[in-house]
Amino acid sequence: QVQLQESGPGLVKPSQTLSLTCTVSGGSISSGSYYWSWIRQPAGKGLEWIGRIYTSGSTNYNPSLKSRVTISVDTSKNQFSMKLSSVTAADTAVYYCAGELRGQWFDPWGQGTLVTVSS
Amino acid sequence: DIVMTQSPDSLTVSLGERATINCKSSQSVLYSSNNKNYLAWYQQKPGQPPKLLIYWASTRESGVPDRFSGSGSGTDFTFTISSLQAEDVAVYYCQQYYNIPRTFGQGTKVEIK
Repeated sequence: QVQLQESGPGLVKPSQTLSLTCTVSGGSISSGSYYWSWIRQPAGKGLEWIGRIYTSGSTNYNPSLKSRVTISVDTSKNQFSMKLSSVTAADTAVYYCAGELRGQWFDPWGQGTLVTVSS
Repeated sequence: DIVMTQSPDSLTVSLGERATINCKSSQSVLYSSNNKNYLAWYQQKPGQPPKLLIYWASTRESGVPDRFSGSGSGTDFTFTISSLQAEDVAVYYCQQYYNIPRTFGQGTKVEIK
């Protein structure tokens, strides 16, 4: 059973770059069964899809964040990562990584990691 | 972007009673070539990630109790809890996977009366 775990700093200063990694266990990130996505959720608010990557390296991004986001994959470590540049307080959220089965629904999900943007 | 709009924003239901959530998409999520609706429903409890309950608008994920069901087609969808249990208190989201960007409804909070 595939499981995901996010990791990265919990505090980022405004204007800096937020960097998170998602480690995949219980299966190979290169299996081809999943697109690997990042989703975020500000406190008390809804879910916003950030973007995704396939094992080939092909990416799709939310247009609302496209200019600031880069998602990459490291198949040797069974990980994928996200960088969000020029962060502001509005980027404070719980960030989830998720597998998008065959590019369809999201399952599984990581537990989420809270990232706070503050000086 | 496909905008997903859920109603109501919150719902208070007595134990054992029915809870119904509506989800409307700004454009059809029915893919004509396979006649499938590209819509999923998730349950999120406090401090937890969302949990997949239903995909293809009406297919229950393995292990999900049969009191949870989904219906609808095109742009109008319904999620139903036939007999609300205490453990069903959560926020429920619909999500379209018809195109990019993936989008979610704003969520519906279900509470016990």
